[in-house]
Amino acid sequence: NAGVTQTPKFQVLKTGQSMTLQCAQDMNHNSMYWYRQDPGMGLRLIYYSASEGTTDKGEVPNGYNVSRLNKREFSLRLESAAPSQTSVYFCASRLGQAGAEQYFGPGTRLTVT
Amino acid sequence: GNSVTQMEGPVTLSEEAFLTINCTYTATGYPSLFWYVQYPGEGLQLLLKATKADDKGSNKGFEATYRKETTSFHLEKGSVQVSDSAVYFCALVGGSNYKLTFGKGTLLTVNP
Repeated sequence: NAGVTQTPKFQVLKTGQSMTLQCAQDMNHNSMYWYRQDPGMGLRLIYYSASEGTTDKGEVPNGYNVSRLNKREFSLRLESAAPSQTSVYFCASRLGQAGAEQYFGPGTRLTVT
Repeated sequence: GNSVTQMEGPVTLSEEAFLTINCTYTATGYPSLFWYVQYPGEGLQLLLKATKADDKGSNKGFEATYRKETTSFHLEKGSVQVSDSAVYFCALVGGSNYKLTFGKGTLLTVNP
């Protein structure tokens, strides 16, 4: 099993450009998540999908949209990138039952200039 | 709501020293508790977990005991190695809540 995969690994955007971060998991997990990690801020939840067909906002959803394409894939879209969105983005998935842990992808390092 | 408070770092130790990273939590009901580790340039990996009171999670020489009376889940290791240098996150999930709540992370540096 590959676990949780993310593409791309690195990306540089100019202010105003758009892009989609891709995430896929092969563990048949129900729930998927997008986080951003900034120095000194820990992990902040952007959006999550408790199950296929549902998405909900997390702590910092502004400037982002998500799509739960199917049970395996959960994408994060930046419509008009801003320098404040420079961060490392992590996707995670979870089985969705009580006590289950999250599994994380390797991250995408995004720089917006 | 749920919250996790862990000791602020950075923590710097010499090889073979004893490690404790404190973690306390606030949650309703009976949450499950986790420690994650993040090595430089990588994603988070589950280090250990405990799902009920008095459970002890352990892995790679690390241990943490779920203490409901003190709402704590402190991480310990008897003898750290240089390879343990990483950021450590305490986290919890409660009941039917789909979201994990994370602490802010503690940077550990182990010097030879």
